Amino acid sequence: EAQVTQNPRYLITVTGKKLTVTCSQNMNHEYMSWYRQDPGLGLRQIYYSMNVEVTDKGDVPEGYKVSRKEKRNFPLILESPSPNQTSLYFCASCPLAGGTYEQYFGPGTRLTVT
Amino acid sequence: KQEVTQIPAALSVPEGENLVLNCSFTDSAIYNLQWFRQDPGKGLTSLLLIQSSQREQTSGRLNASLDKSSGRSTLYIAASQPGDSATYLCAVRMNTGFQKLVFGTGTRLLVSP
Repeated sequence: EAQVTQNPRYLITVTGKKLTVTCSQNMNHEYMSWYRQDPGLGLRQIYYSMNVEVTDKGDVPEGYKVSRKEKRNFPLILESPSPNQTSLYFCASCPLAGGTYEQYFGPGTRLTVT
Repeated sequence: KQEVTQIPAALSVPEGENLVLNCSFTDSAIYNLQWFRQDPGKGLTSLLLIQSSQREQTSGRLNASLDKSSGRSTLYIAASQPGDSATYLCAVRMNTGFQKLVFGTGTRLLVSP
């Protein structure tokens, strides 16, 4: 089944404890991206990647890191999480070939930082 | 800067009604527009994708239209069912800066039996 997967789905952590949220897609998509969703603010892009080893900042990159060493994986790293990073996180991917750019989303990771 | 607005923010209808959800955007230089469904605490499911050159797309009971010049899209749901209850999001991809989707804040739909 074609899909985007994220792990973990739920995470409660404490301020300052480094964490990684994994994202993987099995559709051979070149493009991958991370969004966060907050009440009243909608979905905002954190980082995106156009292909392996090519990443760039979105609208709200502060406090986050990403890497793209393999085409299928795009982990989101919080080096020193803070309470304002409590949010619902979504990974997404889309193919660049073909020109439709239809975006597919993972199931989400609910992060709570205390 | 592109701004996407969805009205109404919430909608409650009895089962069987036909309904229209609205999405408006301020910059008409879009590449495409995508409608998503989001169930509480869940991910986004793509419903329909309309390229900027298209006027509408249909999938089952869903029909999405696009009027790029006026900055509007509508999602029409025919014969609504309780299972349609969810939040509906529209998102646009720009011609420039196409690396991201710009999302509206959604319409929360409740269909009562």
